[in-house]
Amino acid sequence: EVQLVESGGGLVKPGGSLRLSCAASGFTFSSYNMNWVRQAPGKGLEWVSFISSTASYIYYADSVKGRFTISRDNAKNSLYLQMNSMRVEDTAVYYCGRRSGPNTVNGFDIWGQGTVVTVSS
Amino acid sequence: IQLTQSPSSLSASVGDRVTITCRASQDISSYLAWYQQKPGEAPKLLIYAASTLQSGVPSRFSGSGSGTDFTLTISSLQPEDFATYYCQQLVTYPLTFGPGTKVDIK
Repeated sequence: EVQLVESGGGLVKPGGSLRLSCAASGFTFSSYNMNWVRQAPGKGLEWVSFISSTASYIYYADSVKGRFTISRDNAKNSLYLQMNSMRVEDTAVYYCGRRSGPNTVNGFDIWGQGTVVTVSS
Repeated sequence: IQLTQSPSSLSASVGDRVTITCRASQDISSYLAWYQQKPGEAPKLLIYAASTLQSGVPSRFSGSGSGTDFTLTISSLQPEDFATYYCQQLVTYPLTFGPGTKVDIK
């Protein structure tokens, strides 16, 4: 079964750090571009970060640039999001999502179940 | 690239035809996807390339448009279709989402 499973969420104080993981199974992880998307409580979807299949290309939303770092380990079929200098406004459900192909037309066809991150003192 | 959706919410009955509009702040050709999200669940890809149905998605869902104006249509609303729908532009990073359209039961 094609699957993504996030972990690593939790409660962190403002200014603190957290590392999210996304474990992939059922497909050739190293062939796919990956993304992180978040959703604040009661709000819409916000794209956070992208990493290409070989990690050659990385992009961030302005809201997290300089604070968050995306990475991947293709040998371990895993995607990561290191979150530093966290803010209250980073509170959200964080999803990892697979871009279905290498082309511009491809959407996010596989999503994890999400992991909850709460930033509060 | 900014995306707007209209309406922000709508009430409809089972069997109704429902249309949701997404407008981009600049030309994105056909690089648009539509997602469905139910409470407590991850989003689900419905349509990509503005009009291509994702595998396994019922044919009552259809998409159209190009450039800056796009439409998602549900031809005959089913009970399982009550959800929030988001458009997403795929042409350039950041890959922005629209604000969402909530479809609930009339």
